Amino acid sequence: GDSVTQMEGPVTLSEEAFLTINCTYTATGYPSLFWYVQYPGEGLQLLLKATKADDKGSNKGFEATYRKETTSFHLEKGSVQVSDSAVYFCALSETGGFKTIFGAGTRLFVKA
Amino acid sequence: DVKVTQSSRYLVKRTGEKVFLECVQDMDHENMFWYRQDPGLGLRLIYFSYDVKMKEKGDIPEGYSVSREKKERFSLILESASTNQTSMYLCASSFTQAYNQPQHFGDGTRLSIL
Repeated sequence: GDSVTQMEGPVTLSEEAFLTINCTYTATGYPSLFWYVQYPGEGLQLLLKATKADDKGSNKGFEATYRKETTSFHLEKGSVQVSDSAVYFCALSETGGFKTIFGAGTRLFVKA
Repeated sequence: DVKVTQSSRYLVKRTGEKVFLECVQDMDHENMFWYRQDPGLGLRLIYFSYDVKMKEKGDIPEGYSVSREKKERFSLILESASTNQTSMYLCASSFTQAYNQPQHFGDGTRLSIL
């Protein structure tokens, strides 16, 4: 079945450091890919998405590119802030399906 | 902005009780979902609904049931609560079946079963 694998955390960075959170997926068709973020005490919210190969999703300085050849959707940010501390979830949704498959989440701590 | 509201942020119940978790969305979304979130396991789908009175089992439906009598409201029911159901419960909704539609989440209910 479909699955999403993302790097284990926690990831601890200093402010202004470069961030990469790796995400790879397994899917039978042509899924849409998402990154969600969960701030402390809140539910998940959509950070960015990409719906086809080579699409780049971007929001709030974060970017991720849909790479079909490597089945990856890595999240990057050039300069993190303390306010980026949260849990990040990679997810996929299959064509014609109701369900979204989520990765286990990666906790990010950013130190001042 | 879409608003998904869960009735309680924190709930403490006793083993064997029947527990109701309520969720309301205000954007006329067709699909609604219940997940539980546990450390290291990510989100696991319990049940979802794609229309009023329609429901489908997710990956871990055992010990749970759901009700969707109105489009905006989706209830999760723990028939006889057990300690292994202590968890964070998240409700979500999405507009249509289209696969590129994101889900919108409530803030969660942290449920403790004593």
